[in-house]
Amino acid sequence: EVKLLESGGGLVQPGGSLRLSCAASGFTFADFYMSWFRQSPGKAPEWLSFIRNKANSYTTEYNPSVKGRFTISRDDTQNVLYLQMNTLSTEDTAIYYCAKQLGDYWGQGVMVTVSS
Amino acid sequence: DIVMTQAPLSVSVTPGESASISCRSSKSLLHSNGITYVYWYLQKPGKSPQLLIYRMSNLASGVPDRFSGSGSETDFTLKISRVEAEDVGIYYCGQLLENPYTFGAGTKLELK
Repeated sequence: EVKLLESGGGLVQPGGSLRLSCAASGFTFADFYMSWFRQSPGKAPEWLSFIRNKANSYTTEYNPSVKGRFTISRDDTQNVLYLQMNTLSTEDTAIYYCAKQLGDYWGQGVMVTVSS
Repeated sequence: DIVMTQAPLSVSVTPGESASISCRSSKSLLHSNGITYVYWYLQKPGKSPQLLIYRMSNLASGVPDRFSGSGSETDFTLKISRVEAEDVGIYYCGQLLENPYTFGAGTKLELK
C-alpha cells in the first residue's frame, strides 16, 4: 500500500522559511518522479513542483508562482521528499501535499500558516 | 497558463442515477504523442484528492468502473454511473500537459 506522510508544517512569520518532508513507503521510491501540491481553503489544488528520478538526473520543474523561493529535493536512501520554502508570505498559507508521480497518490497533507 | 473551466459548479444526484461533469481547457491538451493530458480527481470531505481518471479515459487503480472519462482535445466529460453515497465530494479536472499544471475550480457532487 502506497503511503505518503508529510511533516514539518506549522506557523511561520512572513519572510520566514520552512522545510517540509514527506516519508514514502509501499513502493520503490527511487523509481518514481515525486511532486508537491498545495491547496488553500475552498480552492482547487495548485501544483508547485516535481522532481524526476535518478535515471532522469533528478531534474526539477517549478510552477512560476514559486520558482526561486521553493526548492524540491529527495533522498532516495531514506525514501524522503523535501520542499524548502523561503521568503514566505501570507499567500503561501495552505495545506501542502506530496504526491507520487504527478498525483496518482497523495499524502494526507500538512498545514502551513504564514502569519505575524 | 492553461485555464480549466468546469461545469456545473455543483450537482445534486439521486443515488443510483448517473451524473456528468464537464471540463473545458483553453488550449488543446492533445500532445503530439497522441495522449490527451487531462486528469480527474475526487476530493472527499476532509480528505486528500484521489486520482480517478488519467490521460482522459484511463481508470486509475482501485477506482470503480462506474467512473468513465471521455472527450476531445479541449472538451472533456467525467461520467458517474449509478451514483453511490461514497461518491460525494468535489471533483476536479486537471491538465498535465504543460507547466504550470492547472486545475478547474471543482464541481461539488451532493446526494438528493
